[in-house]
Amino acid sequence: EADIYQTPRYLVIGTGKKITLECSQTMGHDKMYWYQQDPGMELHLIHYSYGVNSTEKGDLSSESTVSRIRTEHFPLTLESARPSHTSQYLCASSPSYGYNEQFFGPGTRLTVL
Amino acid sequence: AQSVAQPEDQVNVAEGNPLTVKCTYSVSGNPYLFWYVQYPNRGLQFLLKYITGDNLVKGSYGFEAEFNKSQTSFHLKKPSALVSDSALYFCAVKDTGRRALTFGSGTRLQVQP
Repeated sequence: EADIYQTPRYLVIGTGKKITLECSQTMGHDKMYWYQQDPGMELHLIHYSYGVNSTEKGDLSSESTVSRIRTEHFPLTLESARPSHTSQYLCASSPSYGYNEQFFGPGTRLTVL
Repeated sequence: AQSVAQPEDQVNVAEGNPLTVKCTYSVSGNPYLFWYVQYPNRGLQFLLKYITGDNLVKGSYGFEAEFNKSQTSFHLKKPSALVSDSALYFCAVKDTGRRALTFGSGTRLQVQP
């Protein structure tokens, strides 16, 4: 079954640690996205990829970085986590053709102490 | 620039009554409009979309939405609310040339038994 996966679902970590949030999709989508969802519920695009080796910053500035070495994999990395990074991170993907909806993973809730 | 407004933070409705969740948008080109629902600790689930054609769009779980170009609105509706419809609802818009969806701030729907 085609789907989009995120691990871990929940992560509690100390300040200064390096973390990687994993995102994988089995739908063969070219486009992938990372959103940050704050406690006020709004979603903000922080990273975007339209294919292998192509990534762009999103609308909201983020200290995180991403890579896209394989079509199905779009990990997000924080080199040194801080309490201000505490948030829900949502990964999504969509086909590059047409005007299709984005498919979302279940999210990773990150807490930095 | 594209934007979406969801004027109500929360909508309360009794089970069995009709519900409406409001959304207005602003785009420079033709709008592609979407509704998503988010349950606690989950990612966003796609409900329905308007690309072109009939202004009344039917989606999952009995939801529908009406596209009104003159009022730049895309309100979500359901004839008879269920307690299980209680969740967070997001309206989103994309116009041609934009890389990702722009989401509204979300509306929390509470259906009382």
